[in-house]
Amino acid sequence: EVQLVESGGGLVQPGGSLRLSCVASGFTFSSYSMNWVRQAPGKGLEWVSYISSSSSTIYYADSVKGRFTISRDNAKNSLYLQMNSLRAEDTAVYYCARGRNYPDYWGPGTLVTVSS
Amino acid sequence: QSALTQPASVSGSPGQSITISCTGTSSDVGGYNYVSWYQQHPGKAPKLMIYEVSNRPSGLSNRFSGSKSGNTASLTISGLQAEDEAYYYCSSYTTYNTLHWVFGGGTKLTVL
Repeated sequence: EVQLVESGGGLVQPGGSLRLSCVASGFTFSSYSMNWVRQAPGKGLEWVSYISSSSSTIYYADSVKGRFTISRDNAKNSLYLQMNSLRAEDTAVYYCARGRNYPDYWGPGTLVTVSS
Repeated sequence: QSALTQPASVSGSPGQSITISCTGTSSDVGGYNYVSWYQQHPGKAPKLMIYEVSNRPSGLSNRFSGSKSGNTASLTISGLQAEDEAYYYCSSYTTYNTLHWVFGGGTKLTVL
């Protein structure tokens, strides 16, 4: 059974940093592209970042470019999102999602709240 | 690049059929057969319902079907059941700017 479990969310002040993690199981993690997708409270889904299976290709949404860094450790079946210079508008549930052309499996998400 | 356009809400009675539309551009919906649909209940993660325009994941009810014409994709749910009440989001692969996936704004399905 494919499982994705995020962690690392919490309350942070504007300008602060957080590092999210996603641990994968039930599939060969190193063979799959991975993504971060977020959902602000009461809002829709927004794609944040993509990383290919070998980390050779990385994309970011304009809204986070220069502030967020995606990475992965295939030996640890783990995906990461380093978030710096956080803003109030980054407040959201962050999901890790598997897939290249479309997301097929999602984790339950971790809530990031940016507030003073 | 705006999100894909979906109606804010649709409703239907048990047993009826409903269709949710998802309109994009030639850079996303119209340009690729990588349209997918997700069901999301409150407080839960999205669940894949349709992928590559019209394919259902293994084990999913055949009451759910998808199609596409030009820049508009559609999700049809037949034989509505109470448990179908949820938010539904469409998504498309895109090569616009640095976007990778674009999502619709979501449609709230109410089963009357």
